[in-house]
Amino acid sequence: AQSVTQLDSQVPVFEEAPVELRCNYSSSVSVYLFWYVQYPNQGLQLLLKYLSGSTLVESINGFEAEFNKSQTSFHLRKPSVHISDTAEYFCAVRDGGATNKLIFGTGTLLAVQP
Amino acid sequence: DAGVTQSPTHLIKTRGQQVTLRCSPKSGHDTVSWYQQALGQGPQFIFQYYEEEERQRGNFPDRFSGHQFPNYSSELNVNALLLGDSALYLCASSFTGPGYTFGSGTRLTVV
Repeated sequence: AQSVTQLDSQVPVFEEAPVELRCNYSSSVSVYLFWYVQYPNQGLQLLLKYLSGSTLVESINGFEAEFNKSQTSFHLRKPSVHISDTAEYFCAVRDGGATNKLIFGTGTLLAVQP
Repeated sequence: DAGVTQSPTHLIKTRGQQVTLRCSPKSGHDTVSWYQQALGQGPQFIFQYYEEEERQRGNFPDRFSGHQFPNYSSELNVNALLLGDSALYLCASSFTGPGYTFGSGTRLTVV
């Protein structure tokens, strides 16, 4: 079965600084990877996804993630964060089988400070 | 275009009671999955419904059951509530392919 590890439970960073949120997944023949963001008291919003093709994927609000098959990683990066980026970020992998169910990591709280 | 709609948004129940949560999928989506997110944790897969049948189930007891209606909407039922069932319950809908759209969730508190 697939699994996802987010090693950092919380990442504090100052506004306009760069940030990287780490995500590692268990190896599989083929894999679909996702980053979701959750603002306080809200549901999950899809930030970006890797299905195939280019290993670098980008979101509309400046985040990017790179699929690294050899290191089984899918780290999320942003060159300059804003206060509004403060949220919980979840990495997820699609499990094999007919349901396409998602396996989530435990989340990383990105805390942007002024 | 409405996304995934869940109701109610918040709910308080007493131990031993039963609860029903509702989900309307995004327009054009025919598959509904339910997830439980305990405080400080990532979402955990409960089960998925497709063509009105449960297609797969996660590691949850039989107290958790569900239903999907012909219009693709879905219900999650939990019987004999325990304090540990307190969580945010998320509904996600999809069509074909691996993409999901999540609702805002129902916050269930068991006292």
